[in-house]
Amino acid sequence: AQTVTQSQPEMSVQEAETVTLSCTYDTSESDYYLFWYKQPPSRQMILVIRQEAYKQQNATENRFSVNFQKAAKSFSLKISDSQLGDAAMYFCAYRSPNTGGFKTIFGAGTRLFVKA
Amino acid sequence: ETGVTQTPRHLVMGMTNKKSLKCEQHLGHNAMYWYKQSAKKPLELMFVYSLEERVENNSVPSRFSPECPNSSHLFLHLHTLQPEDSALYLCASSQGPDPGRETQYFGPGTRLLVL
Repeated sequence: AQTVTQSQPEMSVQEAETVTLSCTYDTSESDYYLFWYKQPPSRQMILVIRQEAYKQQNATENRFSVNFQKAAKSFSLKISDSQLGDAAMYFCAYRSPNTGGFKTIFGAGTRLFVKA
Repeated sequence: ETGVTQTPRHLVMGMTNKKSLKCEQHLGHNAMYWYKQSAKKPLELMFVYSLEERVENNSVPSRFSPECPNSSHLFLHLHTLQPEDSALYLCASSQGPDPGRETQYFGPGTRLLVL
């Protein structure tokens, strides 16, 4: 069965600095999709970034980028120039069309604090 | 943040009450999901509907009863809940034809407290 592990329950970063959130996963599939979702306090969970496993190029969205290491089954999120609005819970997630396509496997989350 | 809406946002109920959670999506999606989010635990998938048919039922107790009258609306009917059912209940939707490749869009959730 697929699993997603976020080993950092909490992280802290100074405003304007860079922080990396870790995520590892376990799967025997070759075709899958990885996601980072952000859930601000008392607000909606939103997609931050998405990576297709067949793409070697790391996905980027403005200040957010990933380091996707397929062989190592690692999918870390880098937030550059951190802003106060980046403070939230961040969830790493896995989805595959081959094994119950409707199921998304989520990690336990990392709470990010941003210090002014 | 208006693509997927949920009502009510907060709910307090006794163990003998019956209540319903409502989710509505305005994205033209064909798949809708219920998740339970408890503190310090990964999101737990409860139910999935695709084109108004239930396609996943993740060993959820019968005191939770989903209903999907059309592709835009999803309900979760609650009865005789237990205190351990207190959690944030999230609704999500996705395009539908190829869910394993799709991004899910989440509602703001209903914070449920069972006394």
